[in-house]
Amino acid sequence: DGGITQSPKYLFRKEGQNVTLSCEQNLNHDAMYWYRQDPGQGLRLIYYSQIVNDFQKGDIAEGYSVSREKKESFPLTVTSAQKNPTAFYLCASIGKVSNTEAFFGQGTRLTVV
Amino acid sequence: AQSVTQLGSHVSVSEGALVLLRCNYSSSVPPYLFWYVQYPNQGLQLLLKYTSAATLVKGINGFEAEFKKSETSFHLTKPSAHMSDAAEYFCAVTQNSGGSNYKLTFGKGTLLTVNP
Repeated sequence: DGGITQSPKYLFRKEGQNVTLSCEQNLNHDAMYWYRQDPGQGLRLIYYSQIVNDFQKGDIAEGYSVSREKKESFPLTVTSAQKNPTAFYLCASIGKVSNTEAFFGQGTRLTVV
Repeated sequence: AQSVTQLGSHVSVSEGALVLLRCNYSSSVPPYLFWYVQYPNQGLQLLLKYTSAATLVKGINGFEAEFKKSETSFHLTKPSAHMSDAAEYFCAVTQNSGGSNYKLTFGKGTLLTVNP
C-alpha cells in the first residue's frame, strides 16, 4: 500500500539536543511539507520542497532544518535553537502540486524535557 | 499573499442538526481550496476539494461545500450531524508561491462537538 510514514510516533528529548524526525513516502510524490501543530494555532508551515535537492522556508523555519536528498524522504531536524520545540509535527506530500490534495502522515509528538 | 480564516474555533451541535463550518480565504488569484478532518493524535484526511470544476463540491461522509467567489468563502456543511463527525476541521488553500513552488496554507481549525 502506498502512503506516507512518520517515525517515531512519540519522541522525548532533553533540552539542548538536536532531534531528527523521519518522513518517508512511497507515493512517488514530488512535493513534501512539514507542519507544526499547536492547540488553537492550526498547522503552521515549517519547510517545503517541490523537487529533490531544493527546499524553501515556510512561515516558522527558525530553529529547524531539512534535507531532500531523495524523492521519498524529507527529514526534519529540530535544533537546539528552536525555543519551544514541544509540539505535534505533521509531514505531508502532494503529487502534482496546485490542485491535488495532500496526503498526511500520522504525526510525531515531540516532547522536550 | 494567501490566508485562510475559519470563523469559530469551536462549534457545538446536536446530533441530527445542521453542521455549518465557515471558511473565508484571501487570494489574489483563483485558489484551490480544501477541507480536511483530523481525529485526535492522527494526521489529516481529505473531506473534499474545490479545483474550479464546480462550485458545489460533495465530499465524503455526507459533507459538501460551496465556493462563492463574490464572498471569498468556502463553507462546509452537512445536513444532519452524527456523533462520529466530532473532530477538528481545517480549511486549506494552495497557491503558487513563485516559479514552480506551491504553498499549502491552513486555517486555525474548528473543533466540532456533537451532543447526543
